[in-house]
Amino acid sequence: GAGVSQSPRYKVAKRGQDVALRCDPISGHVSLFWYQQALGQGPEFLTYFQNEAQLDKSGLPSDRFFAERPEGSVSTLKIQRTQQEDSAVYLCASSFSGQGNYEQYFGPGTRLTVT
Amino acid sequence: KNEVEQSPQNLTAQEGEFITINCSYSVGISALHWLQQHPGGGIVSLFMLSSGKKKHGRLIATINIQEKHSSLHITASHPRDSAVYICAVHNTDKLIFGTGTRLQVFP
Repeated sequence: GAGVSQSPRYKVAKRGQDVALRCDPISGHVSLFWYQQALGQGPEFLTYFQNEAQLDKSGLPSDRFFAERPEGSVSTLKIQRTQQEDSAVYLCASSFSGQGNYEQYFGPGTRLTVT
Repeated sequence: KNEVEQSPQNLTAQEGEFITINCSYSVGISALHWLQQHPGGGIVSLFMLSSGKKKHGRLIATINIQEKHSSLHITASHPRDSAVYICAVHNTDKLIFGTGTRLQVFP
């Protein structure tokens, strides 16, 4: 496809379950970003990859959150032992390069609800 | 205090009105983005600017680097402009977002 895709679009998890959220960036885009957007708030930065290297993970809220991009393309954000405060929309974005200012292209997001 | 602040938080307008959304930031930036988010979550980039002014159709974005302030203007607003408009600044390798301005345009 032409754009960034994310799956699943919606996920309901019981508290304590592990979840995995997938992001397929635009082909050829070097940089990939994960953001968390709570209801009624702007997105907040979680982590950033350039190719397969995770260059910044300062926004991950706890060690229950883990992200990977092993082949420099698809990325997975994993949340272990989900808590209610993890309920949010998780947005993925990609850009052509991490150098300089490049436009970020956003996926539709995964809405996670933890019950 | 948030690093990126937008005003107003909510805005209603009648079709045809001129609309202004403001963004102020307190961190050093290399660029500023205006984004549009429709219900359901999809975010579309409207503008990326680091100085001056950009125009695309009925949308105009300006930035004053010295005052750390940007504005998004919509001329001749239309109900299809109803969305959340988010200001985001490019700080090192990541974007810092404002909380958004919810715009509703009524016919």
